[in-house]
Amino acid sequence: QKEVEQNSGPLSVPEGAIASLNCTYSDRGSQSFFWYRQYSGKSPELIMSIYSNGDKEDGRFTAQLNKASQYVSLLIRDSQPSDSATYLCAVFQGGSTLGRLYFGRGTQLTVWP
Amino acid sequence: GAVVSQHPSRVICKSGTSVKIECRSLDFQATTMFWYRQFPKQSLMLMATSNEGSKATYEQGVEKDKFLINHASLTLSTLTVTSAHPEDSSFYICSAPRGGYGNQPQHFGDGTRLSIL
Repeated sequence: QKEVEQNSGPLSVPEGAIASLNCTYSDRGSQSFFWYRQYSGKSPELIMSIYSNGDKEDGRFTAQLNKASQYVSLLIRDSQPSDSATYLCAVFQGGSTLGRLYFGRGTQLTVWP
Repeated sequence: GAVVSQHPSRVICKSGTSVKIECRSLDFQATTMFWYRQFPKQSLMLMATSNEGSKATYEQGVEKDKFLINHASLTLSTLTVTSAHPEDSSFYICSAPRGGYGNQPQHFGDGTRLSIL
């Protein structure tokens, strides 16, 4: 049973469009949610963190969380070719000191000029 | 700038060699660090949780005697791959939560690409 599911893609959008990345999780008690970006051959880079229901915006990125539906998403506005990467959804499950992150398999995004 | 430093970035060595990878938190203390392994086109797989001053917690299926973890200080954790074989070739990445607790945003090192010949 997978803990975190992502639409595997690949997702391809034109430059300037909105890219929508989705993620669902199985543990209803999860409290912390993260989106990471990983370029090919590199380690993950934190994009967004979200802890409460609703939207959280940071520049061109908006994270959305719906705990009732166990759903978290990432919107990228005005997509740029430099946004082309694999986006990993991560959910922290367990206690603050004993828990761990569970990662989805990632969604590969390509933004074409 | 980087908040977690990982060294070395790449290792190529013969089968049977032991390889040590270091992970340092640069400007914060990390009582907990995490070690991941990533095979090509796959997601990160947690290998173990490194705990400062105590034994590491290994995930199911990860051999404790093969992947030795030492967290001797609040800023340094090491992973030693003992008697490495070609099947151990992978991308190893460490992470640390800046706030000290795992539910805080975790920052990743740049990773170590290990190639066993």
